Amino acid sequence: GDSVTQMEGPVTLSEEAFLTINCTYTATGYPSLFWYVQYPGEGLQLLLKATKADDKGSNKGFEATYRKETTSFHLEKGSVQVSDSAVYFCALGDGEKLVFGKGTKLTVNP
Amino acid sequence: NAGVMQNPRHLVRRRGQEARLRCSPMKGHSHVYWYRQLPEEGLKFMVYLQKENIIDESGMPKERFSAEFPKEGPSILRIQQVVRGDSAAYFCASSPGLAGANVLTFGAGSRLTVL
Repeated sequence: GDSVTQMEGPVTLSEEAFLTINCTYTATGYPSLFWYVQYPGEGLQLLLKATKADDKGSNKGFEATYRKETTSFHLEKGSVQVSDSAVYFCALGDGEKLVFGKGTKLTVNP
Repeated sequence: NAGVMQNPRHLVRRRGQEARLRCSPMKGHSHVYWYRQLPEEGLKFMVYLQKENIIDESGMPKERFSAEFPKEGPSILRIQQVVRGDSAAYFCASSPGLAGANVLTFGAGSRLTVL
């Protein structure tokens, strides 16, 4: 079945560092791809999405590009802030269902 | 505009008791989804409901678990005769319908601990 694999955490960075969280997927067909973020004590929020190959999703300085050839959707941000500390989930859309990775906890220190 | 509301946020039950988790979708959303997150795991799909209908329950355990979304009131996820392995975070999400498929709004989750 469809699956998502994302890099193990936790990830700890200093403010203004470059962030990459790797995400690869296995799917039949061409699913939509998503990054969700969960801040402490809150629900998951959609961060960005891409619906077809070579699409780039972006939001709040974060970017991810749908790469069909490498089945990847890596999340990047050029300069992280303390407020970016959260758990990040990569997901693919399988019809009405989302298939999630295990999540990567990011801590950004001042 | 309140988001997806889940309650209780934390629930403690002893083995053999029943757990009821409630979810009120966002205003205007008619589709509700339940996901479970076991420790160290990603979120796993459990069930997808519309008002008074279960659309897809392929992720629900065959026994002890049930879900409903009545015409009036919140969606309920019910776990009978809980066991320690049911300890997890249960997330509810909602969407406005087919046009908004896959764009889910999540609640903050209900954390069930079974002693």
